[in-house]
Amino acid sequence: EVQLVESGGGLVKPGGSLRLSCAVSGFTFSSYFMNWVRQAPGRGLEWVSSISSGGSFIYYADSVKGRFTVSRDNAKNSLYLQMSSLRAEDTAVYYCARGSHCLGGSCDSEFWGQGTLVTVSS
Amino acid sequence: EIVLTQSPGTLSLSPGERATLSCRASQSVSTNYLAWYQQKPGQAPRLLIYGASSRATGIPDRFSGSGSGTDFTLTISRLEPEDFAVYYCQQYGSSPLTFGQGTRLEIK
Repeated sequence: EVQLVESGGGLVKPGGSLRLSCAVSGFTFSSYFMNWVRQAPGRGLEWVSSISSGGSFIYYADSVKGRFTVSRDNAKNSLYLQMSSLRAEDTAVYYCARGSHCLGGSCDSEFWGQGTLVTVSS
Repeated sequence: EIVLTQSPGTLSLSPGERATLSCRASQSVSTNYLAWYQQKPGQAPRLLIYGASSRATGIPDRFSGSGSGTDFTLTISRLEPEDFAVYYCQQYGSSPLTFGQGTRLEIK
């Protein structure tokens, strides 16, 4: 069974940092693109970042570029999102998701974690 | 950036009826890499359709996707009570990946 479990969310002050983790099981992690998608309270879905199976290709939304860093450890079956210079508008549930059907560096999101809430507030 | 516009914003129907949801792109979606997701309150989204018309694993055949270029449709042939949710389209043919704003399907 495919499972993705996010952790690391919480309350952080504006300008602060936070590191999210996503532990996966049930599939060969090193073979798949991975995505981060977020959802602000009561709002729609927003793609945040993607990373290729080996970590060589990385993509960010303009809204987080230069502040967020995605990485992965294939030996640990884990995906990470390092977030810095956080703003109130970064408040959201952050989901990790496995990309399954891809065109170049862009993939859909077939399997999702349950999400972790990040709240940026003073 | 490709902007996706979903319509209607809210759709009120009864179980057993047919639902038609629209997703229009501001420019052509590369190779029809258009996906549809269903999201229920408090849950993560679930992939329904990828490649505009291919059902994801385990998705009932009452869900179907169609369209190409800039106009895409999700059809639910006969609504079941569990189908009432919010539906999002997403294009993943070019970066940045973008989502539509969602269509809320509610019970009439």
